Amino acid sequence: GESVGLHLPTLSVQEGDNSIINCAYSNSASDYFIWYKQESGKGPQFIIDIRSNMDKRQGQRVTVLLNKTVKHLSLQIAATQPGDSAVYFCAEKNYGGSQGNLIFGKGTKLSVKP
Amino acid sequence: NAGVMQNPRHLVRRRGQEARLRCSPMKGHSHVYWYRQLPEEGLKFMVYLQKENIIDESGMPKERFSAEFPKEGPSILRIQQVVRGDSAAYFCASSPSGQGPEKLFFGSGTQLSVL
Repeated sequence: GESVGLHLPTLSVQEGDNSIINCAYSNSASDYFIWYKQESGKGPQFIIDIRSNMDKRQGQRVTVLLNKTVKHLSLQIAATQPGDSAVYFCAEKNYGGSQGNLIFGKGTKLSVKP
Repeated sequence: NAGVMQNPRHLVRRRGQEARLRCSPMKGHSHVYWYRQLPEEGLKFMVYLQKENIIDESGMPKERFSAEFPKEGPSILRIQQVVRGDSAAYFCASSPSGQGPEKLFFGSGTQLSVL
């Protein structure tokens, strides 16, 4: 079955606010996680990743938090902009699988209101 | 430096026909991955290929589906005798040799519609 899933299918935020997108995973042996952004009609675009030996990683306006105790992953977007509107997927490297064999969650649609 | 190129963008087939989806990886990339995405769903891994070799086909249906990545030319995902359940977006990704999943670059996909 699916080992990666998302708590909220849709999220609507005001421009300038912070966004938090959550993800749960079930395989405690997983050691690598990625967040992707997918705009309509396009392929997924890498945003940020994190390995299991870390609990936090920051990028430009984005932060990923990993809580291995509860097997929870989150993506925080600071000062959300209209261009951030997209579907966001968390993905987990398939433990024991080959490179590039990722397990994707179902996605959260982020809508940014001007 | 062109990204991952997929064609066609849209493909319409009738039940029983064959579908051929093409993927040209980024320049310098020798690893190709195919994923399938159903509406409102995440992507599901199908197959991982290097030049002339299938490395991992654990996600690909055993029947009707095949993939290749020849020494010259694009990678091809071939679906024989398509059925309505094959309707989906098919994404290709590529990576440089020896790199992990963090180096995956995705194409814009082929939307397959089976009538």
